[in-house]
Amino acid sequence: EAGVTQFPSHSVIEKGQTVTLRCDPISGHDNLYWYRRVMGKEIKFLLHFVKESKQDESGMPNNRFLAERTGGTYSTLKVQPAELEDSGVYFCASSQLRSTDTQYFGPGTRLTVL
Amino acid sequence: AQSVTQLDSQVPVFEEAPVELRCNYSSSVSVYLFWYVQYPNQGLQLLLKYLSGSTLVKGINGFEAEFNKSQTSFHLRKPSVHISDTAEYFCAVRQTGANNLFFGTGTRLTVIP
Repeated sequence: EAGVTQFPSHSVIEKGQTVTLRCDPISGHDNLYWYRRVMGKEIKFLLHFVKESKQDESGMPNNRFLAERTGGTYSTLKVQPAELEDSGVYFCASSQLRSTDTQYFGPGTRLTVL
Repeated sequence: AQSVTQLDSQVPVFEEAPVELRCNYSSSVSVYLFWYVQYPNQGLQLLLKYLSGSTLVKGINGFEAEFNKSQTSFHLRKPSVHISDTAEYFCAVRQTGANNLFFGTGTRLTVIP
């Protein structure tokens, strides 16, 4: 069974540019999560989809971040325009429907904003 | 709100020695507890989890953790480490009935030959 995949693995952009990160969850997983780790700090929750609906977006830092999950399969996270403080590793995770189910994480996308 | 404290940012230990990685949490409600590991250039992998029942939880690769409710701790232990255990370890909590995880800042374990 394929795990959670994320693309790209690394992205280096300049301040003010736009970047789109993609996450493909494990097939059949209705829950999809985005997390972010800023260097040296804890991994922080950004938002949670159940199928195509945003269940909780309380962790989204501001309106420069837009997440979508059209059709309830893969998800994208767009940052526009990017700022220096957006640098970090963005993780995606997926799980089956129950809250007790394990969240399976992807390898992350390392975003560097110069 | 929940918070997780991993006091040790780095732990060096010799091969075949025992190790304990500390995790304390703060929460006003019941939580589930997790340990994840991130090997170099890989994603987070679940080591073990506590949902209910026995407070001693055994995970993969010989790791175990003990849930101590009175001390609000969930320390991770292994009696004898291998070089391949070199990685970053994350403790996390999740409120029962909720979905998002709260993580600690991670502990980098380095096993010295």
